[in-house]
Amino acid sequence: ETGVTQSPTHLIKTRGQQVTLRCSSQSGHNTVSWYQQALGQGPQFIFQYYREEENGRGNFPPRFSGLQFPNYSSELNVNALELDDSALYLCASSLGQAVQGYTFGSGTRLTVV
Amino acid sequence: AQSVTQPDIHITVSEGASLELRCNYSYGATPYLFWYVQSPGQGLQLLLKYFSGDTLVQGIKGFEAEFKRSQSSFNLRKPSVHWSDAAEYFCAVGPNQAGTALIFGKGTTLSVSS
Repeated sequence: ETGVTQSPTHLIKTRGQQVTLRCSSQSGHNTVSWYQQALGQGPQFIFQYYREEENGRGNFPPRFSGLQFPNYSSELNVNALELDDSALYLCASSLGQAVQGYTFGSGTRLTVV
Repeated sequence: AQSVTQPDIHITVSEGASLELRCNYSYGATPYLFWYVQSPGQGLQLLLKYFSGDTLVQGIKGFEAEFKRSQSSFNLRKPSVHWSDAAEYFCAVGPNQAGTALIFGKGTTLSVSS
């Protein structure tokens, strides 16, 4: 059973640029949730994807968008990067929409300069 | 509003001593409760979770937590801390009102002294 894989592990972007982060869900899981963890903070919910549709969204602007593919993998896209977008981005997969069965990936560390 | 409070930002415990990390929550009904651990540069590993039933929950690595409805608390305990327990610990409740997400506290950093 493979776990949740996120790529890349680290990246540095310039303010105003766009970035795409990727997540491969655990085998057997069909739902992907994305969280942003700023330095010194707990993770904050960005959105969830289920059956290739956005299934819930936290308090994040529209420049945060995502996709889910037929194989249940997912992408998080952030446009017009701001310095405050610097954070660890965590992906969690689960079977169904319930939060009880989350498996988290190791995250992507994004630095915006 | 749904929220989680971890009152202690940083705790230092001697190796071999007991540990208790505090977690208080605000939630309209009986929540699902979780404790996660995060080592530097890593993702979140689930230590234990409470859904219903026995209010004392056993987890991995020798951790346990007790749900106290009257105090809206879910404190994490370990009888004897090992140096490898040094990490960041997050308490979480869920689901959120939309039923799709966890709400995390800000975390407690645990340092272990020899």
